[in-house]
Amino acid sequence: AQKVTQAQTEISVVEKEDVTLDCVYETRDTTYYLFWYKQPPSGELVFLIRRNSFDEQNEISGRYSWNFQKSTSSFNFTITASQVVDSAVYFCALSGRDSNYQLIWGAGTKLIIKP
Amino acid sequence: KAGVTQTPRYLIKTRGQQVTLSCSPISGHRSVSWYQQTPGQGLQFLFEYFSETQRNKGNFPGRFSGRQFSNSRSEMNVSTLELGDSALYLCASSSLTGVNYEQYFGPGTRLTVT
Repeated sequence: AQKVTQAQTEISVVEKEDVTLDCVYETRDTTYYLFWYKQPPSGELVFLIRRNSFDEQNEISGRYSWNFQKSTSSFNFTITASQVVDSAVYFCALSGRDSNYQLIWGAGTKLIIKP
Repeated sequence: KAGVTQTPRYLIKTRGQQVTLSCSPISGHRSVSWYQQTPGQGLQFLFEYFSETQRNKGNFPGRFSGRQFSNSRSEMNVSTLELGDSALYLCASSSLTGVNYEQYFGPGTRLTVT
């Protein structure tokens, strides 16, 4: 069965520090999709990135970057020069045939950026 | 473009009652998915509708049901409410069917069952 583990329950850093959120997944599929979503205090989940299992290229979008490594079944997310507005709960999710194409969510990592 | 809207935003019900939640997707989106979020179980997929047809269903009891109308608006119904149904119910829309695509979420309906 598919599983997503976000071992970091809560991370607290001072503004401008870099921070990495870990995501480790388990699946028997060879084709699957990985996602990151952000949930600010308002409650709305905001899509950040989608990656399919055949695309191991790392992605950078402004201060955000993602490191996908199939060898270690990890899809980590790094925020460079963090800002207070980055404070939120971040979720990693996985979808594939093994989960009947339903999103399997990690427990989330609460990120606190202190000014 | 208006985002996903959910009504009501907050709801308090008592055990045994039933409740109906509404979701209006982004204009042009035909897929609507529903999720339950609780502190204990986290985020769990309930079901997905596309063009008025249920395409996928999560592992929830039959008390949880939904439907989608021809204008893509969707409703979710929970009958015979239990205390454990207290949760944030999130709706998400997408232009394509299936959860493998980018989904846009609404602010959620917070349901409290007493």
